[in-house]
Amino acid sequence: KNQVEQSPQSLIILEGKNCTLQCNYTVSPFSNLRWYKQDTGRGPVSLTIMTFSENTKSNGRYTATLDADTKQSSLHITASQLSDSASYICVVSALMDSNYQLIWGAGTKLIIKP
Amino acid sequence: DGGITQSPKYLFRKEGQNVTLSCEQNLNHDAMYWYRQDPGQGLRLIYYSQIVNDFQKGDIAEGYSVSREKKESFPLTVTSAQKNPTAFYLCASANRGAGANVLTFGAGSRLTVL
Repeated sequence: KNQVEQSPQSLIILEGKNCTLQCNYTVSPFSNLRWYKQDTGRGPVSLTIMTFSENTKSNGRYTATLDADTKQSSLHITASQLSDSASYICVVSALMDSNYQLIWGAGTKLIIKP
Repeated sequence: DGGITQSPKYLFRKEGQNVTLSCEQNLNHDAMYWYRQDPGQGLRLIYYSQIVNDFQKGDIAEGYSVSREKKESFPLTVTSAQKNPTAFYLCASANRGAGANVLTFGAGSRLTVL
């Protein structure tokens, strides 16, 4: 069964600290993996998208990694800011029956405290 | 500015009533999607449309209906047949199949059944 699991479920850190969010998936055949940021009560916004051949991709203070062998991805946030408080969602795309299907993780809720 | 507009932001419904959620995009995207988001769960696909006058059921289409008469518009009707309609509803669009491209989301509509 295609699944995406994220950990931790929630995380509280102090402003200025770094953190790493995890995403493990059992999706086949793999097409790509994306990280979205979702502010409370808003729609998700894309942070990064990674294909099979990409190991690392950065977007400002956000750095995503992908290990296609172990089927793991991480999102590292450097020097956190209060505006980083949000849910972070991992999504894996699979090509099935000539159609792309998206398998969504439940997200990690990140709270940055001053 | 290009984007997706969802309305209303908040909606209250009595049991047995149908309600329609609006979704309009000016991004000239071909594909549009409706997702449902519940606490602690990943996004679940309700319906999607790749072209005008054509749409497909997603994973949880029962109790919902859609139409795609114009490229810019993809309204979702939550019917009285939907057993548990209280949720956050997200509309999204993309240029081509969502497996390869990034989804652009609206701000969401929160439906509460009284």
